[in-house]
Amino acid sequence: EVLLLESGGGLVQPGGSLRLSCTASGFTFKIYDMTWVRQAPGKGLEWVSSISGSGGTSYYADSVKGRFSVSRDNSKNILHLQMNSLRAEDTAVYYCAKHGDFGAFDMWGQGTMVTVSS
Amino acid sequence: EIVLTQSPATLSLSPGERATLSCRASQSVSYYLAWYQQKLGQAPRLLIYDASNRATGIPARFSGGGSGTDFTLTISNLEPEDFAVYYCQQRSKWPLTFGGGTKVEIK
Repeated sequence: EVLLLESGGGLVQPGGSLRLSCTASGFTFKIYDMTWVRQAPGKGLEWVSSISGSGGTSYYADSVKGRFSVSRDNSKNILHLQMNSLRAEDTAVYYCAKHGDFGAFDMWGQGTMVTVSS
Repeated sequence: EIVLTQSPATLSLSPGERATLSCRASQSVSYYLAWYQQKLGQAPRLLIYDASNRATGIPARFSGGGSGTDFTLTISNLEPEDFAVYYCQQRSKWPLTFGGGTKVEIK
């Protein structure tokens, strides 16, 4: 069974940092691109960042570029999102998602909540 | 950035009726469009990829169509579990983008 389990969310002050993790199981992790998507309370889905299977290529939304960094450890089947200089508008549930063979996100984690507030 | 506009924002229907949801792209995304369903408090679930292909385990009452800039998601014969929010998403160009969502609610 394919499973994605996010962790690392919590309450952080503006300007602070947080590192999210997504532990994958049930598939050959290193083959698949992975993505982070977030959803602010009561709002829609927002793409945040994607990384290739090898980890050699990554992309970021303009809203997080220069502040967030995506990485992966294919030996441990873990995806990370390092979030620095956090702002109130980064408050959201953060989902990790696996890209399917045709590029769409065919599996999602349950999400982890990040709250940026003083 | 490719902007995806979904309409209507809310669709009020009864079980057994047919739902037609629209997603319009600000420029051509070819067929690189997906649809997701999200129920309250849950993660999204992939329904349709590449405009018209049902994902694994998705019932046949869900169908997708369109190409270029205009796409539709049709749910024939709405079941009680189909009342949810639906999002379209394009993977034609970076940055990847989602539409704002259509809520299908019980009338």
